[in-house]
Amino acid sequence: KQEVTQIPAALSVPEGENLVLNCSFTDSAIYNLQWFRQDPGKGLTSLLLIQSSQREQTSGRLNASLDKSSGRSTLYIAASQPGDSATYLCAVNTGFQKLVFGTGTRLLVSP
Amino acid sequence: DAGVTQSPTHLIKTRGQQVTLRCSPKSGHDTVSWYQQALGQGPQFIFQYYEEEERQRGNFPDRFSGHQFPNYSSELNVNALLLGDSALYLCASSPTGAPNTEAFFGQGTRLTVV
Repeated sequence: KQEVTQIPAALSVPEGENLVLNCSFTDSAIYNLQWFRQDPGKGLTSLLLIQSSQREQTSGRLNASLDKSSGRSTLYIAASQPGDSATYLCAVNTGFQKLVFGTGTRLLVSP
Repeated sequence: DAGVTQSPTHLIKTRGQQVTLRCSPKSGHDTVSWYQQALGQGPQFIFQYYEEEERQRGNFPDRFSGHQFPNYSSELNVNALLLGDSALYLCASSPTGAPNTEAFFGQGTRLTVV
């Protein structure tokens, strides 16, 4: 059974810091991995999608890496801003978009 | 493009009642998946509809059922509501074909069972 773990559960940083969020999964048989952002009480916004054959993806200040063999992904956020405050979720696609999610990292960026 | 839309945004039901939630997929998408997200947890996969049939199902009881219409929109029905069914229900859509396409989510329906 696929299990996804995210560390840390919560993170509080001052504005401007670079930070790394971690995601690990137990079964390397995945099609892709997605990182999502969720604001309180809201739906999920897709940030980055990494296919199983890829090593990393970048979008603006965000960079995500994937090491499928070791079951790990990281989300790097450069020069954090208060507007980045949200919960970040990673999810692995086990086939035809059946996603298994971690419990998320709650990020607070202080001005 | 309106993206994935869900209705209603919020609703309150009494224990034992039945509820229907609705989802319209993103334009060009024909696969709809439903997730349940309890407070402080990650979303849990309920089931997925493709070509008007349930293609995959997660570990949820038969009280949870669904339907997909010819226009690809979908409904999630929950019977005999329990207090533990209180959660944010999320709908995701994706295009047909390969098993590795991207999933797009709606804003969710917040269900409170009292």
